[in-house]
Amino acid sequence: EAQVTQNPRYLITVTGKKLTVTCSQNMNHEYMSWYRQDPGLGLRQIYYSMNVEVTDKGDVPEGYKVSRKEKRNFPLILESPSPNQTSLYFCASSLSGLAGAIDTQYFGPGTRLTVL
Amino acid sequence: AQSVTQLDSQVPVFEEAPVELRCNYSSSVSVYLFWYVQYPNQGLQLLLKYLSGSTLVKGINGFEAEFNKSQTSFHLRKPSVHISDTAEYFCAVSEGSWGAQKLVFGQGTRLTINP
Repeated sequence: EAQVTQNPRYLITVTGKKLTVTCSQNMNHEYMSWYRQDPGLGLRQIYYSMNVEVTDKGDVPEGYKVSRKEKRNFPLILESPSPNQTSLYFCASSLSGLAGAIDTQYFGPGTRLTVL
Repeated sequence: AQSVTQLDSQVPVFEEAPVELRCNYSSSVSVYLFWYVQYPNQGLQLLLKYLSGSTLVKGINGFEAEFNKSQTSFHLRKPSVHISDTAEYFCAVSEGSWGAQKLVFGQGTRLTINP
């Protein structure tokens, strides 16, 4: 089954404790992206990747890191989490990251993160 | 930069009634529009998209949307809703026709269907 998976689905942590949220897709997609969802703000893009070893900032990248060493995986790293990073996080992927291609983005089930 | 405004944060309707969820976007040369649905505790799923051609777009689960360039709107409609349509709905616009794809989302509209 074609899907985007995220782990963990729920995470409660404390300020300053490094964490990684994994994202994996099995569709051989080139483009992957991370979003955060906050009430009243919709989804905002954190980082995206056009292909292996090609990543770039989205609209709200502060406090986050990403890497794309393999095509299928795109982990989100919070080196020193703070309470304002409490949010619902979604990973997404699409066949191509080119704007003109307008490929559908497929979303993972989400990771609910609470930073105390 | 593109922006998307969903005019209603919450829409309560009775089962089998029609519904319209409103979406307006800022104008741009190249506009591609999407509606996504998020069921409770799930990720986002594409309902429909407008790329070009006919301004009336049909999607899954009986939903449709109409692209209106003069009013910069892309409202979502369903003639008769079901309890299972209870979800949050997001309108999104894809920015630009070159470079990296970028989806800009609205704030979301929570649709609640009452029996």
